Amino acid sequence: QQQVKQSPQSLIVQKGGISIINCAYENTAFDYFPWYQQFPGKGPALLIAIRPDVSEKKEGRFTISFNKSAKQFSLHIMDSQPGDSATYFCAARSDYKLSFGAGTTVTVRA
Amino acid sequence: NAGVTQTPKFQVLKTGQSMTLQCAQDMNHEYMSWYRQDPGMGLRLIHYSVGAGITDQGEVPNGYNVSRSTTEDFPLRLLSAAPSQTSVYFCASSLAVIHNEQFFGPGTRLTVL
Repeated sequence: QQQVKQSPQSLIVQKGGISIINCAYENTAFDYFPWYQQFPGKGPALLIAIRPDVSEKKEGRFTISFNKSAKQFSLHIMDSQPGDSATYFCAARSDYKLSFGAGTTVTVRA
Repeated sequence: NAGVTQTPKFQVLKTGQSMTLQCAQDMNHEYMSWYRQDPGMGLRLIHYSVGAGITDQGEVPNGYNVSRSTTEDFPLRLLSAAPSQTSVYFCASSLAVIHNEQFFGPGTRLTVL
């Protein structure tokens, strides 16, 4: 049973559009929420992360929105580019362990 | 720095065989972990270590053993391979237990026939 539920499984967006990926959790002990980006044949790499005492964090074209009361967080990719085509994983940490969502494959069409 | 390295890149085993997946990091990281990645399931934690000589189980530890005799190395042993262990395995490390960013290796694709 996955502790972090991620949706959608895949999405296609036009170049310049906005990609939105959503995640939900139940465990209130989670204290850190990262997003990882993975290209085919490579290991995941940290993209952006947020702590539960912050409602939004922005780094360049990537923004995390966090709703502690709803136990939900999301990744927004603004002005999506073909180089953003990858699989994105949300995750949550408690007790030294990371729990990952199932992943979202994003395809950006030129 | 080579970062996190994993060997082999690919491996095919027969059911019942044993093998060790190697993981090494040259960043003097305290925390190391092993994940398996399966389609539609994301990454699941197998075992982790918070320092040399200390290991603990993750979400899916059955059928796997680990040890951490040095800071640099964290091998994962499959005792008796089963088809259900067909997966891509990733090793990761971070500077310290409380440090947030985990650095992942390139992965090992394992097929068990």
